[in-house]
Parts: sequence; structure tokens; C-alpha cells
Amino acid sequence: QSALTQPASVSGSPGQSITISCTGTSSDVGGYNYVSWYQQHPGKAPKLMIYDVSNRPSGVSNRFSGSKSGNTASLTISGLQAEDEADYHCSSYTSTSTYVFGTGTKVTVL
Amino acid sequence: EVQLVQSGAEVKKPGESLKISCKGSGYSFTTYWFGWVRQMPGKGLECMGIIYPGDSDTRYSPSFQGQVTISVDKSITTAYLQWSSLKASDTAMYYCATFSGGYAGIWGQGTMVTVSS
Repeated sequence: QSALTQPASVSGSPGQSITISCTGTSSDVGGYNYVSWYQQHPGKAPKLMIYDVSNRPSGVSNRFSGSKSGNTASLTISGLQAEDEADYHCSSYTSTSTYVFGTGTKVTVL
Repeated sequence: EVQLVQSGAEVKKPGESLKISCKGSGYSFTTYWFGWVRQMPGKGLECMGIIYPGDSDTRYSPSFQGQVTISVDKSITTAYLQWSSLKASDTAMYYCATFSGGYAGIWGQGTMVTVSS
């Protein structure tokens, strides 16, 4: 299984909205509503931000939202803040009964 | 509080064996699958495989099948990741995480493994 494809970097100014894409295949993203997103600050462990395509865990800001269309999932961060600057990774359950992660996206707040 | 605590950083030579651990606490150990995730320096996350503590059902991602061994000792609520012969390319940060449905909800703090002659 190949890594899901994400843009290497996305940037935006404070207050703006940005969207990160995550493209897979019908064997992962397109085949299951089990897409999740993780935020990772430098030197820290990943943190779950979105699960099951569009659900937010308790404590995660409602500025984060997720969606999916076909083989591509998306994470949108609205009202961008300095603290949102981090790496973001998508993940999907797969037809081999394991999980695959994306290539990762670095978000920069200008 | 649900938490996963991993063993400390390791420095090993090529060809040596290694077993790192991840202890779960604050929840029923057989509630979630355990997974191991590799992050090579400056790179993305890779799921190596997952194991269900209840019956040790283990599923490896294709790239890691035969390269590592994932195991669990539910009597001490601990999961393990093991290498029989390390390579320099195994140098990475390794995270354990609980997997439930389609996501990794709780993450350990990570174990840095450095393999160098």
C-alpha cells in the first residue's frame, strides 16, 4: 500500500482558512469512512484532530473540520491562528486491515 | 487518565537485536488495538502494524511484514516492538498508539531508536 498523497506545504495568514487534501484509492480513503487527521508540533507526538472523516474529539477546536469526496479527504482550518502552525497527517483504514498515513503537510502561518 | 508510556531512547549497532515497549494504563487494556508507527527523520508517519491484546491477533502493513515482530503481554498491559537484526535504516522515532475503529486516539511519547556503527 502506498502512502496517501498530501501537499508538502500549505500557508495562510492569521484569520484565513486553509484546506489540506489527502488523496488515496478505493482500497483506503474511498472505501471506508475511516479517515482521520493528526496535528504534530515539532518534537511532539501526533494528536488526533478529526476522526471518521468529519468528527472532532472532545477538546478540539471547531475551527477544524473534515470532509471526503471519492478518494480524496480534506481538512479545513478556519480562522487560522499562530498555534495552528504544525505538521498535519491524514490516515485511513485499508483493505489489508491496517492503516495508511499520508505524506504529511507542513502548515505555515504567515 | 488514559495514557501510553514508552521505554527510553536506544542507541544500537547494526546487526543487534532490540525490543521496545509501550505500557497502557487508565483503561481496560483489551478495549483497543495497539499499533506501532514509525517516523523517520524529517518524514511522515508509517503504520507498521497493529495487535489486539485480547487474543494477540496481529496485522502487519506489507512494508513491515517479516521485518519486525509485534507482541503484547496483557498481564502487564504492555505491547512490544522487536527487531532481530537492526539496520541503519531503522533509525527513527517509534510511536505506539491505541487504535479504535478508524483512528489512533491515544499516543505514547515516542521512543527514538538510533542505529549506527
